[in-house]
Amino acid sequence: DAKTTQPPSMDCAEGRAANLPCNHSTISGNEYVYWYRQIHSQGPQYIIHGLKNNETNEMASLIITEDRKSSTLILPHATLRDTAVYYCIARGSGGGADGLTFGKGTHLIIQP
Amino acid sequence: NAGVTQTPKFQVLKTGQSMTLQCAQDMNHNSMYWYRQDPGMGLRLIYYSASEGTTDKGEVPNGYNVSRLNKREFSLRLESAAPSQTSVYFCASSEEARGYEQYFGPGTRLTVT
Repeated sequence: DAKTTQPPSMDCAEGRAANLPCNHSTISGNEYVYWYRQIHSQGPQYIIHGLKNNETNEMASLIITEDRKSSTLILPHATLRDTAVYYCIARGSGGGADGLTFGKGTHLIIQP
Repeated sequence: NAGVTQTPKFQVLKTGQSMTLQCAQDMNHNSMYWYRQDPGMGLRLIYYSASEGTTDKGEVPNGYNVSRLNKREFSLRLESAAPSQTSVYFCASSEEARGYEQYFGPGTRLTVT
C-alpha cells in the first residue's frame, strides 16, 4: 500500500465546508484512495473511496487530482458531530480480505 | 441488525494471565479482522480471516492466536498477557468483494498490569 501523509490536526467552523488533504505521491495505478473516520475512540467508519474520478455520497465528496498524487475529502456542511480523526488510506482493488493500514490521520475539530 | 459486537468492553489482566476476546457479526460477511490501537496511533492489523476455516497473520501477530469458530464468530486469544498488549482491540468484518468497506465493532479496552 502506498504511504499517505495527512496533517495531524485541523479546525473548521460549524456549518462551513471542511477540506481534509491527503498526499499519496507514490500511489500506483491500481490503488484506490479510501477514507475512514473514528469518532472518539469508537470503531472506525467507512466514508468514501475513489480511483481517478471525483466521488460523492451522502456523507462527503472526494476530489482526486489528475496525477493522483493527492486528494481532498470534503465535508460540505460540517457539524459538531463531524469532530473525529479522519484516515486516508491507499490500497489495491477493493476486493479481498486484506487488512487496512491506518496511519495517525487528521484530528478534525469542528468549532461552534 | 447488531452489526459487529465485541465482548468484553473492558478488561484488566495481570501479566501472564490469559483471556479470549470475542467477536460476532450478523451481516453474513465472509471476512473478519482483528486490529489493535495504541494511544495516539492508528490501527494495526493482528490477524484476519478471509473465510470460515482460514486465518492469516497481519502486521503484529506475535503473542496472539485466533479462531474462526464459524462464519459469524472470530475470537482473539492472549495466552500470556504482557503490558505491551495494553491496547484497544477492534474487530471488523467485510464482504469479500468489498474488502475496503469494513464494519467495526465498538472495541475492547484491555489493560495489562
